Amino acid sequence: DMKVTQMPRYLIKRMGENVLLECGQDMSHETMYWYRQDPGLGLQLIYISYDVDSNSEGDIPKGYRVSRKKREHFSLILDSAKTNQTSVYFCASSFGGGRYEQYFGPGTRLTVL
Amino acid sequence: TQTVSQSDAHVTVFEGDSVELRCNYSYGGSIYLSWYIQHHGRGLQFLLKYYSGNPVVQGVNGFEAEFSKSDSSFHLRKASVHWSDSAVYFCAVRNMGYKLTFGTGTSLLVDP
Repeated sequence: DMKVTQMPRYLIKRMGENVLLECGQDMSHETMYWYRQDPGLGLQLIYISYDVDSNSEGDIPKGYRVSRKKREHFSLILDSAKTNQTSVYFCASSFGGGRYEQYFGPGTRLTVL
Repeated sequence: TQTVSQSDAHVTVFEGDSVELRCNYSYGGSIYLSWYIQHHGRGLQFLLKYYSGNPVVQGVNGFEAEFSKSDSSFHLRKASVHWSDSAVYFCAVRNMGYKLTFGTGTSLLVDP
């Protein structure tokens, strides 16, 4: 069963706290992505990972970092979270290049107070 | 950088009606366009894609889209909608290899 999972689904943090969002996929996809979704803005790409330890900044990487030590796991880290990082975060994965569709996780709703 | 625009933020139709959701793109080289659907509280799901060949592409659940180079468009259509088609629809264009740029989405409401 092709699946992308995200943990946790809901998270409330205080400003300045560290945040760890986890993503897993069971399809052995090489490429994984982190997006955030805000009302009226669609999805914005934060980071893209081409494989283990091969990560690249997306369009809005500031304030975020990522880690990919295993092909099936991709983590998004917020060091010292800010209130403007309140958003819904989606992880996605795909086989290789841009011609392949992306499979999305269910999202994590993060609130930073 | 290629972009997409979805001019309609909200579309409301009755069940059984046909619907067209509009997407226009800025041309910048090789084309890869796709549509995704997002039901409330869920992640996005792939519907269909175009990158070459027949400009009319078929997707899941009776959706199709037509690529037009002259109009710079990739509109999504369905002949007869069901209430379960109520969702937000995103058009996307490929940029720089692996990156997709998404439009702002069109919220489709199907009245039963």
